[in-house]
Amino acid sequence: DAKTTQPPSMDCAEGRAANLPCNHSTISGNEYVYWYRQIHSQGPQYIIHGLKNNETNEMASLIITEDRKSSTLILPHATLRDTAVYYCIVRPISSGSARQLTFGSGTQLTVLP
Amino acid sequence: ETGVTQSPTHLIKTRGQQVTLRCSSQSGHNTVSWYQQALGQGPQFIFQYYREEENGRGNFPPRFSGLQFPNYSSELNVNALELDDSALYLCASSARTGSGNTIYFGEGSWLTVV
Repeated sequence: DAKTTQPPSMDCAEGRAANLPCNHSTISGNEYVYWYRQIHSQGPQYIIHGLKNNETNEMASLIITEDRKSSTLILPHATLRDTAVYYCIVRPISSGSARQLTFGSGTQLTVLP
Repeated sequence: ETGVTQSPTHLIKTRGQQVTLRCSSQSGHNTVSWYQQALGQGPQFIFQYYREEENGRGNFPPRFSGLQFPNYSSELNVNALELDDSALYLCASSARTGSGNTIYFGEGSWLTVV
């Protein structure tokens, strides 16, 4: 699976948009970009995923560059409860026998009051 | 609410003992995987089960084993516990349908080995 690179930490003011970047320059055509977050001591929470088009749901928006080598997760109006570690993961469309997620170090997002 | 529940939430075991962790998945989620998350690190894939057969394994020794049952429940068993086995153990499930299927996690079981 392709490797991802994320900044180790970011701060964001409450109420502002949080833009979390991810670099996945070795992504292949059959790999999705997934975003999960993990609030301290809880299980990872699915946020959003996409292949090549931008995606939006009730939690966030995912912007994928045209060459698919990077993406940005956007939390439009960050709240204190969005403070968490955010993981960007690339995963094949069909992993065959093993459909696991490979987690990196993620980005610690801290939303400041 | 992910529909994935794990038990127990916390437990303490002694080195050398055996432990069984349990997971209940959503109906229709026929793929279950287990992850280990040490403090300060990201989750690491242990293994995956599909239709009650193991069909993928990470870099974990054979003393980590599992079972998946027809009722969408599963178990993770760890024998001969070591101090380094202290971690959060996460169960994740998904439906093996189409492409881009989403994997949902439970809240995990905290295991402390003393």
